Amino acid sequence: TQLLEQSPQFLSIQEGENLTVYCNSSSVFSSLQWYRQEPGEGPVLLVTVVTGGEVKKLKRLTFQFGDARKDSSLHITAAQPGDTGLYLCAGGNSGGSNYKLTFGKGTLLTVNP
Amino acid sequence: DSGVTQTPKHLITATGQRVTLRCSPRSGDLSVYWYQQSLDQGLQFLIQYYNGEERAKGNILERFSAQQFPDLHSELNLSSLELGDSALYFCASSVTGNGYTFGSGTRLTVV
Repeated sequence: TQLLEQSPQFLSIQEGENLTVYCNSSSVFSSLQWYRQEPGEGPVLLVTVVTGGEVKKLKRLTFQFGDARKDSSLHITAAQPGDTGLYLCAGGNSGGSNYKLTFGKGTLLTVNP
Repeated sequence: DSGVTQTPKHLITATGQRVTLRCSPRSGDLSVYWYQQSLDQGLQFLIQYYNGEERAKGNILERFSAQQFPDLHSELNLSSLELGDSALYFCASSVTGNGYTFGSGTRLTVV
């Protein structure tokens, strides 16, 4: 069974601070996705990374896939209250109709104004 | 609106009962996935269907079953419900794995 460990589990910061959350596994994934989930809603896809060492930026969010494709990080610059939510990483394997994601338990981020 | 529709949004039922959760995938998506989310276990994969056929099974209990119909909507049936089955149940759809689109979930409370 492939497992994804996310850290920290909880993070509470002030508006304007920077933060990094981590997603680690002993398994190799063909792709790694990050989702954000807000209360009462389903997770929403933020980004997909597929190449070892790949870095993607989405405004103030920077995502990196580890060289060995076993880990990933999400860095947020100058966090805002609107960034509050549960951040989930998910590792994907195979492709086509057999594609399946394994999710970590998430990092619950609270950005205080 | 993500394009994935789940009904009902909330469901309260008694132990021992049976319920059916419904999911309509995003237009064009052939794969439907069911996940259970609880505070201690996170998002747990239950089952996947692709174009009407079961493709993968996760930690789905024998009391649970699912199917995908010709119009691609899917139903998750939960029977002999126990208190521990209380959770959020999410449906997601995808084309070929380029990210999932999730519905808003069904919050099931078993009392």
